Amino acid sequence: NAGVTQTPKFQVLKTGQSMTLQCAQDMNHNSMYWYRQDPGMGLRLIYYSASEGTTDKGEVPNGYNVSRLNKREFSLRLESAAPSQTSVYFCASSALSWAGDNEKLFFGSGTQLSVL
Amino acid sequence: AQSVTQLDSQVPVFEEAPVELRCNYSSSVSVYLFWYVQYPNQGLQLLLKYLSGSTLVKGINGFEAEFNKSQTSFHLRKPSVHISDTAEYFCAVSGHGSSNTGKLIFGQGTTLQVKP
Repeated sequence: NAGVTQTPKFQVLKTGQSMTLQCAQDMNHNSMYWYRQDPGMGLRLIYYSASEGTTDKGEVPNGYNVSRLNKREFSLRLESAAPSQTSVYFCASSALSWAGDNEKLFFGSGTQLSVL
Repeated sequence: AQSVTQLDSQVPVFEEAPVELRCNYSSSVSVYLFWYVQYPNQGLQLLLKYLSGSTLVKGINGFEAEFNKSQTSFHLRKPSVHISDTAEYFCAVSGHGSSNTGKLIFGQGTTLQVKP
């Protein structure tokens, strides 16, 4: 079972370069999320997509854009990378119960990004 | 809005000893509470969750947590730890309602170091 797959696993960028982090899930989940993890700060939500065709800002969206390409794929783009974006990025998905009950998140293994 | 505070950044403990990882939260609405574990170089996995009902929640790998509404706490416990429990543990909270589903607020994380 693949679950949530992120690519690449590691990336080094120079300040001002752009790149796209890819995420795909094979669990037919409706919702997908992008988090960043920084030491001493836990995980913070960048953007999320509650369903195909919709995206919304999370806690720290500045400097990022996202695309929900289809139900399986949710990409995160850095248009002009900055050193402050050095972090570990996690993609996650959930089934999203419309009954209001909460669903657990399934996480990818992460992308370690360094911006020099 | 919700927030989570994990009171210890690191908890060293000897193998077979009991352990408690502390988590406090604040919220103006009813909440769902979660503990996630992150093993080295991996994504997060759900350990356990409190949605409603019994305040003592049992999870995987022998962990349990108790929801204390009056103290706004959700501490994680295990009576006897193993070397394999060495990992980072995250407490997370989400507000009730479909608009909050999957939008978790994470604590800063606690590193559990189990020593032989």
